[in-house]
Parts: sequence; C-alpha cells; structure tokens
Amino acid sequence: DAKTTQPNSMESNEEEPVHLPCNHSTISGTDYIHWYRQLPSQGPEYVIHGLTSNVNNRMASLAIAEDRKSSTLILHRATLRDAAVYYCILRGNTGTASKLTFGTGTRLQVTL
Amino acid sequence: GAGVSQSPSNKVTEKGKDVELRCDPISGHTALYWYRQRLGQGLEFLIYFQGNSAPDKSGLPSDRFSAERTGESVSTLTIQRTQQEDSAVYLCASSTYRGGKNIQYFGAGTRLSVL
Repeated sequence: DAKTTQPNSMESNEEEPVHLPCNHSTISGTDYIHWYRQLPSQGPEYVIHGLTSNVNNRMASLAIAEDRKSSTLILHRATLRDAAVYYCILRGNTGTASKLTFGTGTRLQVTL
Repeated sequence: GAGVSQSPSNKVTEKGKDVELRCDPISGHTALYWYRQRLGQGLEFLIYFQGNSAPDKSGLPSDRFSAERTGESVSTLTIQRTQQEDSAVYLCASSTYRGGKNIQYFGAGTRLSVL
C-alpha cells in the first residue's frame, strides 16, 4: 500500500479554520484519498474522500494537489468536538470492500 | 438505524485463557472488518469478511487468532491462550456499497486486558 505522512500533532483555537496536511508522494492513479477521524474512546469515523477534484461535505473540505502527491483536510471552524486523531488513508477502488491501512495520524488539539 | 455494536465493551482475562469478542454489524452491511489498536498506536487490520467468507485474513498475528461470521451478520473474534501482548482495543467495522461509496462504520471497540 502507498504510504502517507502526516504531522504527529497540531493545535488550533476554537472557531478558527484548521488545515491538516497529508503527503502521499507514491500515490497510484487509482488510489482514493480518504480521511477518517477518531474521537477519544471511540472508533474511527469517516470524514471525507476524493480522487482528483476538491470535495466538500457537511463535515469538512478536501483539497487535493494537482499532482495528487499531497492533500489537505480543511475544518472551516474548529470546535472542541473536533479534537481527535485524523487519519489520511489511501485506498484503491472505493466501490469494493477492502481494508483500511491506518498510519499514526495527526492529533488535533482545539483550545478555547 | 443502529450502529455497529461490540460486546463486551471491556474484558479482563488471565494469561492463557481463551476469549471471544462479538460484533453486530449494521443491518444489511455485506462486509465486516476487525482491527486491533494498541495503546497510543494506529489501527492494525486483522481480517475482513465479504458475506460469510474471509477473502483477506492477512493481518491475523498468529494461529491463536481466528474469526467467523454467520448469517452474513454477527461475527466473533476468538483469541486462544491469550498473551499479555494481546492487550489492546479490538475494533469492528462494517460497510456496504451505496451511492458510489464503501464507507466503513466502526463500533466503539472491546478493550481487552490480559493480566
């Protein structure tokens, strides 16, 4: 599986935007970029995914570099509830069942 | 509807005992996955089921670990002769293809402590 690299931790103030980077220089043409997050004492939850174009949903936005070697998860207004570990994961054909390969993720701290 | 349910939520056992962990997936989800998360680390894939078959069991760490799924529903993960290094949170997820996506939905996990 192609590997992703994320910073170990980031901090943000509440109500501020947060940009969480992910490098994936060995991404293949068919890999989708998925983001999951894990709140304390919970299982991971899906945030967003994309292939080439930027994506928006109610939780976040995903900005994908033109060469697809990096991407950024954008939380437009961080809240205390967004404090979690964020995982950037590459995954093949998103229509079929397959495992997720988790790295160590970025631990986001949100302060008042 | 109801999410992925795992039981027990916590399990303390003695080294050498066998344990069974249960996962009830979201109704209608065809795929079911087991992961393990050691303290302070990311998730490690163990096995996944498509229906009742396991196309990928590459993550099972040893022959002490086994899993089955019946009725394309509930799954049990069995660890025989538990060791202290088996202590971890065991997470189950389920998914199905819908709307062009195959998103995994996770349970809260079973925290296993081997004394």
